Amino acid sequence: EAQVTQNPRYLITVTGKKLTVTCSQNMNHEYMSWYRQDPGLGLRQIYYSMNVEVTDKGDVPEGYKVSRKEKRNFPLILESPSPNQTSLYFCASSFNGGDTEAFFGQGTRLTVV
Amino acid sequence: GESVGLHLPTLSVQEGDNSIINCAYSNSASDYFIWYKQESGKGPQFIIDIRSNMDKRQGQRVTVLLNKTVKHLSLQIAATQPGDSAVYFCAENIGAGGTSYGKLTFGQGTILTVHP
Repeated sequence: EAQVTQNPRYLITVTGKKLTVTCSQNMNHEYMSWYRQDPGLGLRQIYYSMNVEVTDKGDVPEGYKVSRKEKRNFPLILESPSPNQTSLYFCASSFNGGDTEAFFGQGTRLTVV
Repeated sequence: GESVGLHLPTLSVQEGDNSIINCAYSNSASDYFIWYKQESGKGPQFIIDIRSNMDKRQGQRVTVLLNKTVKHLSLQIAATQPGDSAVYFCAENIGAGGTSYGKLTFGQGTILTVHP
């Protein structure tokens, strides 16, 4: 089954404790991205990757890091999480970027206390 | 800055009625638009897309209309069912011009509630 898998689905952590949210897709898509979803602000892009070893900032990259060492994986790293990073996070992948359908993961609800 | 917005944040309809969800966009350079459906606890799910060289596209029970003159996008759902209840997002690709930078800009969403 074609899918984007994120882990964990739910995470509660403390300020400053590094964490990683994993994302994996099995569709051989070149393009992957991370979004955060907040009430009243919709979905905002954090980082995106057009291919292996190629990443770039989205609209709200501050406080986040990503890596793309393999085509299928695109982890989101929070080196020092803060409460304003409490949000619902989605990973997405598509064949070649924004002019093809993007498939979304189930989401990761992160709470930073 | 450029943005995608929605005219109506909530829409309530009766089962069997047709639903119309509207979206305004401001970037005239955008050339690809998508409608997504998001159910509670799930990620956005693709419904239908349209490119700027078209003004209408139909899917199964859904139709997207694009009016480039007034920069307006709409999603029509025929014979709306309770299972259609969700948040609907429009999104535009602002990495246009033949290259795929892949940045989708989303509207804030419209909540559709279908009453039996």
